[in-house]
Amino acid sequence: GQNIDQPTEMTATEGAIVQINCTYQTSGFNGLFWYQQHAGEAPTFLSYNVLDGLEEKGRFSSFLSRSKGYSYLLLKELQMKDSASYLCAAPYGGSQGNLIFGKGTKLSVKP
Amino acid sequence: GAGVSQSPRYKVAKRGQDVALRCDPISGHVSLFWYQQALGQGPEFLTYFQNEAQLDKSGLPSDRFFAERPEGSVSTLKIQRTQQEDSAVYLCASSPHRAPYEQYFGPGTRLTVT
Repeated sequence: GQNIDQPTEMTATEGAIVQINCTYQTSGFNGLFWYQQHAGEAPTFLSYNVLDGLEEKGRFSSFLSRSKGYSYLLLKELQMKDSASYLCAAPYGGSQGNLIFGKGTKLSVKP
Repeated sequence: GAGVSQSPRYKVAKRGQDVALRCDPISGHVSLFWYQQALGQGPEFLTYFQNEAQLDKSGLPSDRFFAERPEGSVSTLKIQRTQQEDSAVYLCASSPHRAPYEQYFGPGTRLTVT
């Protein structure tokens, strides 16, 4: 079946680095997405990995290992505004239009 | 430019009522998606359109749920005879590409069934 797992909650300190892990099991792998969602708001796109390795985009980086079914999102120089839920998602289904989301990791950044 | 918009933002319905939720995607976006998000959970896929064609409706939880996109732009998600378990945020997303590329989400409609 299709399954995406990520930790429920994490806490980190302002200015620190945090790594949010995601493991997935999907048929017909076609990339992995990370989204950020602030409370009461819509998810916003952060990254899309198709190939193995690390992709850096400013303070955020995303890593993928297809052989291990594993990804992580790395947030550097944490700011208070980074407090949000981080959602891991993978395309699924014949149409590839269906994104399967994890339950999200709620990150709390403390001063 | 304008993002994805949804209306209404909040809807309270009595059990048994029918509701219609509207999504205006970003102009020119080919793909449109509907998701249901319960509190503290990730979004769950409901259905997917490519232009006016509904290519995947495998996520619709029952035949009370119906979605359409007749002209390949605006979409409506209709829920008939609402039940309490239908209470959730309904998110719409659009994409300029055919799936599975980056999706742009609207603010959602929070439906509460009393």
